[in-house]
Amino acid sequence: DAGVTQSPTHLIKTRGQQVTLRCSPKSGHDTVSWYQQALGQGPQFIFQYYEEEERQRGNFPDRFSGHQFPNYSSELNVNALLLGDSALYLCASTGGGRNSPLHFGNGTRLTVT
Amino acid sequence: GEDVEQSLFLSVREGDSSVINCTYTDSSSTYLYWYKQEPGAGLQLLTYIFSNMDMKQDQRLTVLLNKKDKHLSLRIADTQTGDSAIYFCAESMSSSYKLIFGSGTRLLVRP
Repeated sequence: DAGVTQSPTHLIKTRGQQVTLRCSPKSGHDTVSWYQQALGQGPQFIFQYYEEEERQRGNFPDRFSGHQFPNYSSELNVNALLLGDSALYLCASTGGGRNSPLHFGNGTRLTVT
Repeated sequence: GEDVEQSLFLSVREGDSSVINCTYTDSSSTYLYWYKQEPGAGLQLLTYIFSNMDMKQDQRLTVLLNKKDKHLSLRIADTQTGDSAIYFCAESMSSSYKLIFGSGTRLLVRP
């Protein structure tokens, strides 16, 4: 039973570029959340997708957008990259309601130069 | 407000017990979670407790919740070198779909 899978594992981009990160949820899960984890910090909530719609959004600018597909997989897009966007981006999935525990993937390490 | 705080670092000897502490500010928390993060990896769910419980035990892990003081702790019995990692406390609330994480406690287990 595959857990949450994310691709790519590492990515290097230049300021001003755009990036797309991908996530496949754990089997049986229908809800996907994205978190940003800066070095030495805890994860910060970006947004959550359910039924192909953004259900809740954290305190991130519009440069951060996402999508969920009918098979429940998800993408995170970041436009006009800034140096400060360098972080580990974590995808988490859950199923079964609001308080079902999140299961995380291993993340995508994004470096912006 | 939303804030979760943890001490930064804990060092213990192999075989001893470890206690990692966490405080949170929001009294409407519904569930509280402990996650483990090893170098280069994502977050692994260790255990979680509903806010109306005082204690939960799961093999070597014991979670204690003092709701009055908004204090959560994770005790790891017979700590092993493989337990060396960063441990995150997180809370969820009935009004939200997000988890609020602390900054993590780095646990170092000395042989």
